[in-house]
Order: sequence, then structure tokens, then C-alpha cells
Amino acid sequence: GQQVMQIPQYQHVQEGEDFTTYCNSSTTLSNIQWYKQRPGGHPVFLIQLVKSGEVKKQKRLTFQFGEAKKNSSLHITATQTTDVGTYFCAGPNGATNKLIFGTGTLLAVQP
Amino acid sequence: IAGITQAPTSQILAAGRRMTLRCTQDMRHNAMYWYRQDLGLGLRLIHYSNTAGTTGKGEVPDGYSVSRANTDDFPLTLASAVPSQTSVYFCASRKTAGGTEAFFGQGTRLTVV
Repeated sequence: GQQVMQIPQYQHVQEGEDFTTYCNSSTTLSNIQWYKQRPGGHPVFLIQLVKSGEVKKQKRLTFQFGEAKKNSSLHITATQTTDVGTYFCAGPNGATNKLIFGTGTLLAVQP
Repeated sequence: IAGITQAPTSQILAAGRRMTLRCTQDMRHNAMYWYRQDLGLGLRLIHYSNTAGTTGKGEVPDGYSVSRANTDDFPLTLASAVPSQTSVYFCASRKTAGGTEAFFGQGTRLTVV
């Protein structure tokens, strides 16, 4: 079945450093979504990418969808303590549209 | 306030007991999902429903059942709980089955002893 993997599983950075998480799907995706889950909270939608090679920015966050629509990345410039949490990518299973989540990357930011 | 509500917030359950986790949304979303979250394994899909009256199996459906009698409610039932079902359970919904953002409930922390 469809698998969505993320690396790294965990990243610890000093405040001000950059951070990147990578998402790889075993199948081509029609779109990809990114979510953030704060410690003790629930996942919250950040953004959706649809087009091959698409790049979107939200302040210090840059999201990219690969040309083959099988991978994606989230880059955070100059991390802040408010960026702490787990970042998930998610994509629809083509046949059924069920939403499959990646394994997540836990980001810790040391002040 | 419109949203998605889960109940209970947490529960300790004896192994072998039956348990239903409740999920209700008032956004008139067609698609609903149940996920379990375990450390290091991310969010794994248990069951889903693309529209009222239909359900489907996710990645880890064994030991769980769901029903979708109407648009608003999507209960998840553990027929005979086992310790490996100890997890945090999230219900989610989205307007349509494809291509829209998902909204999550606050989660249910279930411990099976």
C-alpha cells in the first residue's frame, strides 16, 4: 500500500538555525498537505501544494512539491521557539482519497 | 463554535472491554477519519468515510469498527480492547474526500490495562 515517509524523525536546533524536513511518497500524489502539531495538541493544517514543482511561502516557512509529485519539503528559516512541534506531510490515496500521513518530524528548538 | 468534538478526552479501560470513542462535527463535512498516534509512528489511518453511509479500511483497521449513519457522527468502536490499542486517537473531517484541508478533534487518550 501507499507509504509516506519523513526524514529526519527528530531534529534539535539552536534558535536562529534553519530546519528542513523531507517527505517521500511511494506513489505519485495529486496534492500534498502539511500540518503542524504542537506538543500536547492536535494537528493543524498549514498549506496545500498541488502543482508539480510548486513553491509556496508563509513568512519563514517555505514549502516545495517535487517535480515528480512524489516528494515534498518544508524549510524553516531562522527557527524560533514557537516553531517547536511535529510537522507532518499528508497526501491522498489516489484510488480512495483517504488521507495518509507521513511519519512526522519532531522539531525541538533550544533558546 | 463550529468544529469537531471528541469524547471522552481520556479513558483507562480494562482489557477485553468494549469501548466506543465518539466524534461529532457540525461543519457538514462529507469525509471523516480516525487516526491513532503512537510515538515514532506518526498518524496512522484506522478507518475513514468519504460520505455518510459509506466506510472504508485504513492502514491499521484490525480490532476497530466504525459506522457513519449520518453526516455529523463517526463513532469508533473497540469490540474487545487489548493493551496494544493504548494510543492517542484523533478524529478528523474535511469538506470533501479529495483536496481539502482536514480539521482535527482534540484527541482521546486511551490506556488499555
